[in-house]
Amino acid sequence: DAKTTQPNSMESNEEEPVHLPCNHSTISGTDYIHWYRQLPSQGPEYVIHGLTSNVNNRMASLAIAEDRKSSTLILHRATLRDAAVYYCILSKRQAGTALIFGKGTTLSVSS
Amino acid sequence: GAGVSQSPSNKVTEKGKDVELRCDPISGHTALYWYRQSLGQGLEFLIYFQGNSAPDKSGLPSDRFSAERTGGSVSTLTIQRTQQEDSAVYLCASSLAGTSASDTQYFGPGTRLTVL
Repeated sequence: DAKTTQPNSMESNEEEPVHLPCNHSTISGTDYIHWYRQLPSQGPEYVIHGLTSNVNNRMASLAIAEDRKSSTLILHRATLRDAAVYYCILSKRQAGTALIFGKGTTLSVSS
Repeated sequence: GAGVSQSPSNKVTEKGKDVELRCDPISGHTALYWYRQSLGQGLEFLIYFQGNSAPDKSGLPSDRFSAERTGGSVSTLTIQRTQQEDSAVYLCASSLAGTSASDTQYFGPGTRLTVL
């Protein structure tokens, strides 16, 4: 399985942008890049996903490198509610698309 | 609409007892997944159901673990003869089709299992 590498933790201040990096140098041509986050004491929550082009939604933006070996999740204005563990996941292409979670990045947001 | 629901939210049991955990997926979602998250650990895949196909049980840690999905909807995860190392949060997720790499999974709040 293709593996992702993320920093263990990051810190941000409220209302500042946050760039969460993810390296996935062994990504295959048809793997999607998914981001989920897990708030304290909750189940994971979908954030965004993409294949090749940059993606935007109401929660965040996803910037994908041209060679697809890395991506960056962008939170445009961090709030205290964005404090969570953020997971960058490559989807499996085998039958069944169970997500393989790594340790993710723990984002702390200060007021 | 309603999200994925799980019950009970918390379960405390004694070592050696059997437990059943329930998951109600989002209506219309054909794929259902079970994961578990031990304290301080990442999420670990357990089992996957897709429509009427045979489930993918490749993540089940032992034969004490089993799961059923009745009528393509509700699922029950059963742990027999529970051990202390089974203590974890058990999470259920569902997705619309489950056959695409772009499929989004929607997670329930989890069941926290504590084995004394």
